[in-house]
Formats: sequence, structure tokens, C-alpha cells
Amino acid sequence: NAGVTQTPKFRVLKTGQSMTLLCAQDMNHEYMYWYRQDPGMGLRLIHYSVGEGTTAKGEVPDGYNVSRLKKQNFLLGLESAAPSQTSVYFCASSPDRGFYENTEAFFGQGTRLTVV
Amino acid sequence: GESVGLHLPTLSVQEGDNSIINCAYSNSASDYFIWYKQESGKGPQFIIDIRSNMDKRQGQRVTVLLNKTVKHLSLQIAATQPGDSAVYFCAEMDSSYKLIFGSGTRLLVRP
Repeated sequence: NAGVTQTPKFRVLKTGQSMTLLCAQDMNHEYMYWYRQDPGMGLRLIHYSVGEGTTAKGEVPDGYNVSRLKKQNFLLGLESAAPSQTSVYFCASSPDRGFYENTEAFFGQGTRLTVV
Repeated sequence: GESVGLHLPTLSVQEGDNSIINCAYSNSASDYFIWYKQESGKGPQFIIDIRSNMDKRQGQRVTVLLNKTVKHLSLQIAATQPGDSAVYFCAEMDSSYKLIFGSGTRLLVRP
């Protein structure tokens, strides 16, 4: 059971280039999230999904797009990377919210992205 | 590893003492709260959670207190150990399933 896996772990992009970050979970979780974490800061929600085929904006969605074509995968795209998008990106997944059940979110190990 | 916690509030405690980390949340509609621990270069790790129908929940060496009146959470760590040194975040969720993190506190344990 791998949990939440992020690909790639590191990437350097030039300004204007595009890329896609992949998050895969094998726990059959309904909810998936993408966050960014800047040095010395907390996690800010970019986009999230409450199920296959659905996406919603978080706190800082501009400059990013997402897709959830399969339940187990949540993709984060940068169409035209900017230096301000240099950050560590974390993906998380969480099971359905049974009110009396533990619905903790499990996190991947992060993708460190540098835009030069 | 990643420089987590450089600009965050820091709590310094002596090994063996109890630690109390506080968090103010923003959304009065939030009904589920989680505390996470993040070590340098790693993703957040679940510590304990609490639902809005509870005021207190205890785990192993940790206790979370929830005061909905003033929108305040606290995490108490008993007999703090060097391995507890990390950055601690609270997170809140409402019925939209959006999981929002607070700003975090860095815990330093002095030997």
C-alpha cells in the first residue's frame, strides 16, 4: 500500500514552460487536494476535488489548473510557469466524511519546483 | 530539507515539560479540525482530530481542546520529547470539504 505518491519529486522549469504534477493514491479516497508551501510558511490550498470528475478552487488557484479524470489521480498543471510559482507542492487525499469516523488527510512527500 | 518554520512563531520547551500550541481558526462553519506535525523535508503527518460536537479529545500524549465560542484550538503535548520538535499546523474543514491550514507554530525541545 503506497498511500499518496507524487511525481516528480524535483523539477526546474524555465519561465513560460508548462508542466503537470501527478498525484496518485491507492486508498480509494474520495477527496484530493493540492497545496503549495513556500519557505517558512504554511500550506495554502490551490485546488481540490470531492470526487472523480469534479474540481473546485481553493485559496490560491490562479495560474494553476487541475483534473480528476480517474478517482485515484489528481493532476496539477502549470500552463506558463512563473518564478512566483517556485514552491514545494503537496498533494493529499482523504476518505469520505463519515461523521463519526476518522477522515484524516494523508499527504504525499512533496514536489519541489523551481522556476527560473 | 525544506526550510519549514523559519518565519513561524516558535515555542521553546524543556524536554519533559508539557507543551501547549494554540491556533485560531477563521470559519465559524468549520466542523472538523485536525492537528498536523511537519518535519523538515516531509509532508504533514496526522496527529489528532476533533469534531465540532466535542470539546476535548485525547490521544497518546496529546490532547486537543476546541472552544467554538472564540474559534480556538489548542494542542497539548505531555512530557515533550526531542522527537516532538517540528512545525505544528491546525487545519479546519467545513461541509464543502475544503481543508484549510492555519499558519503554524515551530516547536523546539531543549535537551
